[in-house]
Amino acid sequence: DAKTTQPNSMESNEEEPVHLPCNHSTISGTDYIHWYRQLPSQGPEYVIHGLTSNVNNRMASLAIAEDRKSSTLILHRATLRDAAVYYCILSIGYSTLTFGKGTMLLVSP
Amino acid sequence: NAGVTQTPKFQVLKTGQSMTLQCAQDMNHNSMYWYRQDPGMGLRLIYYSASEGTTDKGEVPNGYNVSRLNKREFSLRLESAAPSQTSVYFCASRLLIGGHTEAFFGQGTRLTVV
Repeated sequence: DAKTTQPNSMESNEEEPVHLPCNHSTISGTDYIHWYRQLPSQGPEYVIHGLTSNVNNRMASLAIAEDRKSSTLILHRATLRDAAVYYCILSIGYSTLTFGKGTMLLVSP
Repeated sequence: NAGVTQTPKFQVLKTGQSMTLQCAQDMNHNSMYWYRQDPGMGLRLIYYSASEGTTDKGEVPNGYNVSRLNKREFSLRLESAAPSQTSVYFCASRLLIGGHTEAFFGQGTRLTVV
């Protein structure tokens, strides 16, 4: 699986936007970009995924660079409940999901 | 609709004991997975079953066996538990249909081997 690089941690204030970066310079043309998050003491949960175009859903937006070597998960208004570890994962078709260490997001009131 | 259910939620074993972690999903997913997560680490894949009747090794399979009992259930067995297997274990399921679908995870089993 192609590798992703994320910052170990980031901090944000409540109700401010958060941009979580992910570098994946060795991404192949068929790799999808997935984001999952893991709240304290819970299993991971799906956030969003995309291939080339930017994607929006009720939880977040995913901005994908034109060369696809990086992407950014955008939380439009962070809440205390968004404090979690966020994982950026590349996945090809039927391949399994390989988790790195992710980015721990700290949200302050 | 319970999603992915894991039992037990907590377990303490003595070194050398055996046990089976149970996982069941009610979403009619074809693929199921077992991961382990050590403190401060991401999840590592132990075994997976891409479809009923098949199982494959993941990144860290040593010391574990799995059984895909039917489409709903995927169990993980520790034949002779070791302290190094102290971890949180997560089961996941996913519908692989050619596109890219989300995986659903259980709440985890916290296992301590003393």
